[in-house]
Amino acid sequence: DSGVTQTPKHLITATGQRVTLRCSPRSGDLSVYWYQQSLDQGLQFLIQYYNGEERAKGNILERFSAQQFPDLHSELNLSSLELGDSALYFCASSRTGRGGSGNTIYFGEGSWLTVV
Amino acid sequence: DAKTTQPTSMDCAEGRAANLPCNHSTISGNEYVYWYRQIHSQGPQYIIHGLKNNETNEMASLIITEDRKSSTLILPHATLRDTAVYYCIVRAPYNQGGKLIFGQGTELSVKP
Repeated sequence: DSGVTQTPKHLITATGQRVTLRCSPRSGDLSVYWYQQSLDQGLQFLIQYYNGEERAKGNILERFSAQQFPDLHSELNLSSLELGDSALYFCASSRTGRGGSGNTIYFGEGSWLTVV
Repeated sequence: DAKTTQPTSMDCAEGRAANLPCNHSTISGNEYVYWYRQIHSQGPQYIIHGLKNNETNEMASLIITEDRKSSTLILPHATLRDTAVYYCIVRAPYNQGGKLIFGQGTELSVKP
């Protein structure tokens, strides 16, 4: 158990809908990262937050947005869903964004999203 | 982001050491090398990391060349449960958020 909690574990929704994925980081971790893994794309970095502020942005679509709340949990909002958004979405956390010991990035078990 | 190059796949006999190579020739002096693995569709699992020196923990050893342009992850006694995709990643510097950018990794198959 990495200590990173993601909900829901599985979600099935229709095209055009909107969903929210939730992530609770490890206790004491200030940095949260979101990744998308689809069959043909591998693990893609979406976005990172540090202590409530956006820190880095990757290949995140405009239909997607995220935020980190004062209690440090994070939500990834996916709207106007398309079939191609079906994927496994991972959240990860670390104490800070620095490398080295004490700042390892740990991943949750992911949220499976199926768009039908 | 410094890129890494890994073999697409490797086989290893159960009980033998698995040596997974990685090239990272564009790595900068303050960038760390991290190794993760992903078993089936589970969350990536942290294995080990290093900057300049060789490192060892309960899971594996990491050997980094003196010029830091390549490294090798060693699983000393591979078991069937070590079958997974192994990712070698140069972690982005702090001023770029310290994120991990995953490549395609090495698919390691441990065979009886």
